[in-house]
Amino acid sequence: KQEVTQIPAALSVPEGENLVLNCSFTDSAIYNLQWFRQDPGKGLTSLLLIQSSQREQTSGRLNASLDKSSGRSTLYIAASQPGDSATYLCAVRGYAGGTSYGKLTFGQGTILTVHP
Amino acid sequence: GAGVSQSPSNKVTEKGKDVELRCDPISGHTALYWYRQSLGQGLEFLIYFQGNSAPDKSGLPSDRFSAERTGGSVSTLTIQRTQQEDSAVYLCASSFRDSGAKNIQYFGAGTRLSVL
Repeated sequence: KQEVTQIPAALSVPEGENLVLNCSFTDSAIYNLQWFRQDPGKGLTSLLLIQSSQREQTSGRLNASLDKSSGRSTLYIAASQPGDSATYLCAVRGYAGGTSYGKLTFGQGTILTVHP
Repeated sequence: GAGVSQSPSNKVTEKGKDVELRCDPISGHTALYWYRQSLGQGLEFLIYFQGNSAPDKSGLPSDRFSAERTGGSVSTLTIQRTQQEDSAVYLCASSFRDSGAKNIQYFGAGTRLSVL
C-alpha cells in the first residue's frame, strides 16, 4: 500500500525566504506526482505535475523535483510571499493492474505561513 | 460553470440520517473522483468514475456509502445512517480523461459534512 509522508508538518517563515517542502513515498512504481495548494475553505489547486520519467518541473517561483528511485520529491519556493500561505499537498498516482487509474494518494500536507 | 461545483457547501445532519452530496464536474470531463478529507486521516480516495461506471470503489469505507453518476456528468455520493465519524470534507475532482500523461484533476471546494 502506497504511503506518502510530508515534512515538515508546518512551517513559518519571513517574507522573502527561499524554502523547501519535502515529500516521500514508499512505492516507487508511480505514474506521476503532483503538488497541490489548498486554501482554507477552498478546493485543491494543482501547482505542478511531474511524470515518472521526469526529474523536475518549474512554474514561476516554484520548482518541483522527483527522485523516483529513492521515493522523494521536493517543492522549492523562491522568494516567498505572504500570498503563498496555504497548505501544500503532495500526491502520487500509482498503477492499478494494467490500467492506470487516476486514484491519488495524498500526504498529510505542510501548512505554510509566510509573514510580512 | 468553469470549475467543479459541489453542493451543498455545508451540511449539518443528525446521526442516523441519510445525506446526499452532489458534484457537477467540468463539462467534457469523463473521469470523476470522490475524496474525503478528515482530521487525522488526511485526504483519502473514495471512488472513481469513468463515464457512468465505477472501476474503482476501493476507498468506500463501508456499505453505508454509495455513489452514482448519470449521463456521464453529475455524480451523487450518498451516505446512509450517518455516523459521527463520517464528519469530514468531501471533495470531488474531475479530469478530461483518466489515462494520459498529463491527467490533472481539478477539485471542487468540497462539502463540509457535520454529523451531530
